Amino acid sequence: DSGVTQTPKHLITATGQRVTLRCSPRSGDLSVYWYQQSLDQGLQFLIQYYNGEERAKGNILERFSAQQFPDLHSELNLSSLELGDSALYFCASSVGDRGNPANSPLHFGNGTRLTVT
Amino acid sequence: AQTVTQSQPEMSVQEAETVTLSCTYDTSESDYYLFWYKQPPSRQMILVIRQEAYKQQNATENRFSVNFQKAAKSFSLKISDSQLGDAAMYFCAYKGAQKLVFGQGTRLTINP
Repeated sequence: DSGVTQTPKHLITATGQRVTLRCSPRSGDLSVYWYQQSLDQGLQFLIQYYNGEERAKGNILERFSAQQFPDLHSELNLSSLELGDSALYFCASSVGDRGNPANSPLHFGNGTRLTVT
Repeated sequence: AQTVTQSQPEMSVQEAETVTLSCTYDTSESDYYLFWYKQPPSRQMILVIRQEAYKQQNATENRFSVNFQKAAKSFSLKISDSQLGDAAMYFCAYKGAQKLVFGQGTRLTINP
């Protein structure tokens, strides 16, 4: 068990709808990362938050947004959903020490499988 | 931008044999870490091993070891005494100051 909790595990919705994915990081971790993994693909970095602030942005669509709350949990909002948004969405967390940011491996949740029909 | 390349989409090995998965990366950073993650059919991402760029000694975790060649920007994973439970997708990953960048993965099959 990585200590990272993602809900829901599965989500089925229709095109044009909006969904919210939730992530609770490991206790003590300040950084939260969101990744998208389409079928048989690698993990694509979407966005990172550190202690409530956005720190890095990847190839995240404008229809997608995220935030990290004061209690450090994070939500990824996906709107105007398209068939191509169907994927496994991973949240990961790390300590994210600013003094040595590389020195903190990411621990992944079990992912939310989103199916858009 | 940092990139990670895994040139072997698929690999197979006989049970109990040794297999090596290749990974190369490109970066201009001096402080970074390299990781291998395993993704079994359950799709969970499991950290297998990590290597600090400033350390010359290759990391080892039980049957898993790496061959880190910093000048060549190469980071291969060796799995010894392969077991059926090692069957999975293996992702090489690079982490510098911020995000973790993944390679496209190598699907490893273990033949009984």
